[in-house]
Amino acid sequence: AQSVTQLDSHVSVSEGTPVLLRCNYSSSYSPSLFWYVQHPNKGLQLLLKYTSAATLVKGINGFEAEFKKSETSFHLTKPSAHMSDAAEYFCVVSGPYTGNQFYFGTGTSLTVIP
Amino acid sequence: ETGVTQTPRHLVMGMTNKKSLKCEQHLGHNAMYWYKQSAKKPLELMFVYNFKEQTENNSVPSRFSPECPNSSHLFLHLHTLQPEDSALYLCASSQAGTGGKAEAFFGQGTRLTVV
Repeated sequence: AQSVTQLDSHVSVSEGTPVLLRCNYSSSYSPSLFWYVQHPNKGLQLLLKYTSAATLVKGINGFEAEFKKSETSFHLTKPSAHMSDAAEYFCVVSGPYTGNQFYFGTGTSLTVIP
Repeated sequence: ETGVTQTPRHLVMGMTNKKSLKCEQHLGHNAMYWYKQSAKKPLELMFVYNFKEQTENNSVPSRFSPECPNSSHLFLHLHTLQPEDSALYLCASSQAGTGGKAEAFFGQGTRLTVV
């Protein structure tokens, strides 16, 4: 079975401070993990993905995430928040034997305070 | 632009109307998906098509009827909807057969309002 848990439904940070969005996963097999961002009334855009190569993954807009198998975590970070980062973020897991399905977390809403 | 185009972007329909949502991808993908995103609810998978064959119907009511005529196009036919069906409907595509390593590409969505 595959699932993800996003530990925070809302996160608020001040502009210029670090961002941490937390995600834990459950997977019976070697997972692939993704982070997507969604701005209001828009589709989902891929930020980064992990597919069993390097455990520290760098994505777009200065975001990165580290796959930690021992902690079953895939937390998303950014050193310095920008106003344009305010959005909804989704952690997603997939893998072999899932019938090409993606399993979404419930999302984390990021607010950036000026 | 992600390479996945959805039309229309906005749709208002009465409960007795029949309408269709269209999704088109030119990424060469062979898997396509419909998702429903309601306010304050998790993203809900509705249907999955792999190589034009429906492989997942996530207990969706029959008033939603998908159609996948080829690997580039996906439709969602709507009839006798309820107000609670108002939501953002998202289409996505991906490359099947990669052991789950390929990401999904999403369209901008259709904002549906049922009155």
